[in-house]
Amino acid sequence: DADVTQTPRNRITKTGKRIMLECSQTKGHDRMYWYRQDPGLGLRLIYYSFDVKDINKGEISDGYSVSRQAQAKFSLSLESAIPNQTALYFCATTGNRGDTEAFFGQGTRLTVV
Amino acid sequence: AQSVTQLGSHVSVSEGALVLLRCNYSSSVPPYLFWYVQYPNQGLQLLLKYTSAATLVKGINGFEAEFKKSETSFHLTKPSAHMSDAAEYFCAVSQGGFNKFYFGSGTKLNVKP
Repeated sequence: DADVTQTPRNRITKTGKRIMLECSQTKGHDRMYWYRQDPGLGLRLIYYSFDVKDINKGEISDGYSVSRQAQAKFSLSLESAIPNQTALYFCATTGNRGDTEAFFGQGTRLTVV
Repeated sequence: AQSVTQLGSHVSVSEGALVLLRCNYSSSVPPYLFWYVQYPNQGLQLLLKYTSAATLVKGINGFEAEFKKSETSFHLTKPSAHMSDAAEYFCAVSQGGFNKFYFGSGTKLNVKP
């Protein structure tokens, strides 16, 4: 089984719809992240959580919300999807030490039409 | 504040040639540095990381990178490119306690036969 699992892998939705992307991890880490990848822009941080009671906005949180349901689960919601939210979304988890690498899910390709 | 600059969004080399992918960072404190690789339709996989031990870091698949503080650089190299190295490569920096990763915009490596 993968360390970080994202569902769904692909999703097409209509403008104005609410959609949730889910992420679960088996690393036992406290820290989880949501990134968005757009061509030529690298990965940009949407939200991050250092433990179940800690949620923080990243660089581009507008239009998104998150929920940390458990240590292993971190979901991302688009309350009212818009076309410029079409992107590849990645969930990641890290250990608490600064020198630990991030483990990524396979990504969710979201298209808003 | 941190930032990561990857020079060259696309790099093309011949099979067997040297691979050099450039990464420069800005950071007010000594950072942790990472290189990730992304193959098509996959998540990000760690190639190597610098965590203040040896300045020359060896990673998987024959890649290595050298941390040069004076140049604020962490360039990725491989002596001889293989067709299977064709992918997108991301440089990332983390600054310890808060452990937020800042990614560069990525470099797509094309390997010609």
